[in-house]
Amino acid sequence: ETGVTQTPRHLVMGMTNKKSLKCEQHLGHNAMYWYKQSAKKPLELMFVYNFKEQTENNSVPSRFSPECPNSSHLFLHLHTLQPEDSALYLCASSQVGGAGGPYNEQFFGPGTRLTVL
Amino acid sequence: GEDVEQSLFLSVREGDSSVINCTYTDSSSTYLYWYKQEPGAGLQLLTYIFSNMDMKQDQRLTVLLNKKDKHLSLRIADTQTGDSAIYFCAEMKTGANNLFFGTGTRLTVIP
Repeated sequence: ETGVTQTPRHLVMGMTNKKSLKCEQHLGHNAMYWYKQSAKKPLELMFVYNFKEQTENNSVPSRFSPECPNSSHLFLHLHTLQPEDSALYLCASSQVGGAGGPYNEQFFGPGTRLTVL
Repeated sequence: GEDVEQSLFLSVREGDSSVINCTYTDSSSTYLYWYKQEPGAGLQLLTYIFSNMDMKQDQRLTVLLNKKDKHLSLRIADTQTGDSAIYFCAEMKTGANNLFFGTGTRLTVIP
């Protein structure tokens, strides 16, 4: 595997289900991100992890719970979601500081298309 | 309003030039980026420009930055059907490592 991978690619769940999204980066980066992509809205940053520590939580409802067990893996645990949470969830990684260069290029996975019924 | 604003849709004919526009609000932004998202894929960095530059050219791509008006544009010369995608403008603000994205502009190239 290369780059950033996400599983599953598609997920349909009911409002009472619990599920998890998985992201893995094979780039040796030290920062990972969760974004929400909804139609006609800006790409919304949800969570940021630098060196496995959460540094951003942009007022995301508690029904979304991130987990970063190591610098290569990032999870998004979902429970009691609402239909308006249906969206494409993108994971990204980057190298912040050091050899990553000044421009912080973020590498994105293909996303998980989530549908909440 | 939103931090970064873009038009949602743009259609051009194959062979013409495309110009995708973006406005941002933070005059202290250090870097501004253009990302491309093809169907079924994540975003991929196309190009970026440092805030002390006015223009950057890379093959068919030209980025223009007007700091006074906080306006960024991406021009694609000789647009091809393979350029059909969603193009996101993003800014990195001073003192932050996070990127702030716009809504994306869906470019449709008509053969």
